[in-house]
Amino acid sequence: DTGVSQNPRHKITKRGQNVTFRCDPISEHNRLYWYRQTLGQGPEFLTYFQNEAQLEKSRLLSDRFSAERPKGSFSTLEIQRTEQGDSAMYLCASILPVNTEAFFGQGTRLTVV
Amino acid sequence: EDQVTQSPEALRLQEGESSSLNCSYTVSGLRGLFWYRQDPGKGPEFLFTLYSAGEEKEKERLKATLTKKESFLHITAPKPEDSATYLCAAKTSYDKVIFGPGTSLSVIP
Repeated sequence: DTGVSQNPRHKITKRGQNVTFRCDPISEHNRLYWYRQTLGQGPEFLTYFQNEAQLEKSRLLSDRFSAERPKGSFSTLEIQRTEQGDSAMYLCASILPVNTEAFFGQGTRLTVV
Repeated sequence: EDQVTQSPEALRLQEGESSSLNCSYTVSGLRGLFWYRQDPGKGPEFLFTLYSAGEEKEKERLKATLTKKESFLHITAPKPEDSATYLCAAKTSYDKVIFGPGTSLSVIP
């Protein structure tokens, strides 16, 4: 499968714990985006990378959230000290260098109990 | 501020009853307007990209059009399998992709 891959697909964690999600983009896609989506809403922009450089981080993102993309390949999104309000679907998407559409992974569903 | 809105929030159609979904956008230097389909519990699936006003794209029962401020997704003679949430997204001049809230479509047999 050469699509965008996200792991894990589901994560249940206790409030206060740290979690980390991984995204493997389509090879040769140099831009990678992270979104958060809650039920009945559209995806909300969190941050994006061009290669290993993080170009923008949403001001809605608290300091508990951090994302990395070492070597411009896969990316990780970490949430520290999780809260119940962090429960959502976390989506990753990647884009070719040329101006085209974003391709999405299947997402990671986070439930904080 | 860059923004994408969609209407209606939800739409219920009888099978075969054609209709349109609306997407309004306010972005700096539009570099692409995208339509996606999303099924429950899955990631968005790409449908169309539109780049300039007047452009149209078609795929099976779907047709997307673009003006300077809006895009429409026309659904002709829908079938129950067209039931899904349809998302509109705009790419800004600095390559940020912003989504609207989506329209939840239900097609009743």
